[in-house]
Amino acid sequence: ETGVTQTPRHLVMGMTNKKSLKCEQHLGHNAMYWYKQSAKKPLELMFVYSLEERVENNSVPSRFSPECPNSSHLFLHLHTLQPEDSALYLCASSQVSDNTGELFFGEGSRLTVL
Amino acid sequence: GQNIDQPTEMTATEGAIVQINCTYQTSGFNGLFWYQQHAGEAPTFLSYNVLDGLEEKGRFSSFLSRSKGYSYLLLKELQMKDSASYLCAVMDSNYQLIWGAGTKLIIKP
Repeated sequence: ETGVTQTPRHLVMGMTNKKSLKCEQHLGHNAMYWYKQSAKKPLELMFVYSLEERVENNSVPSRFSPECPNSSHLFLHLHTLQPEDSALYLCASSQVSDNTGELFFGEGSRLTVL
Repeated sequence: GQNIDQPTEMTATEGAIVQINCTYQTSGFNGLFWYQQHAGEAPTFLSYNVLDGLEEKGRFSSFLSRSKGYSYLLLKELQMKDSASYLCAVMDSNYQLIWGAGTKLIIKP
């Protein structure tokens, strides 16, 4: 138990569906992240929210839309995805004032796009 | 460009010692991290090095040489539960984490 909870753990969707991934952190952190993890590839940072404001968007396609309503919750809204978007989507949190920048990850949402 | 290199897969025997290497080329350096990720689970923090030398934490140790752009993670007295992927990541001058693709470690009895 890392203090970061992601739902759903598994999701299968068609290319025309709309779905959302949810992340909740119980650590009192003030920064949250979405990462994409594909097999045998480095983690790809998608979005960063610090103090509930988006501070980074690494050229992610618009079919991925993040939402951070408060410092404890983060969503990733998905629509008209492509099969190459199939991956493990990891949420993480950290405390901005922590000099080490240690990240606390959730267990991920395994997404399959048919 | 920025790059982190680590072996894709390693195999070791229970009770033995294994060293996982990581080399990096980044724009600046603000620390190097090792994370452990068991299959189907969240990556979890193992170590953080910002100064040269060896940091020991129980059966795990992490070494850093900034001049060589090199780190290793040393696992002693290997146990079956150490079978996992080990991720190396470097924080660059913009405090962005650059990740390696991970090393899958297989422990055999």
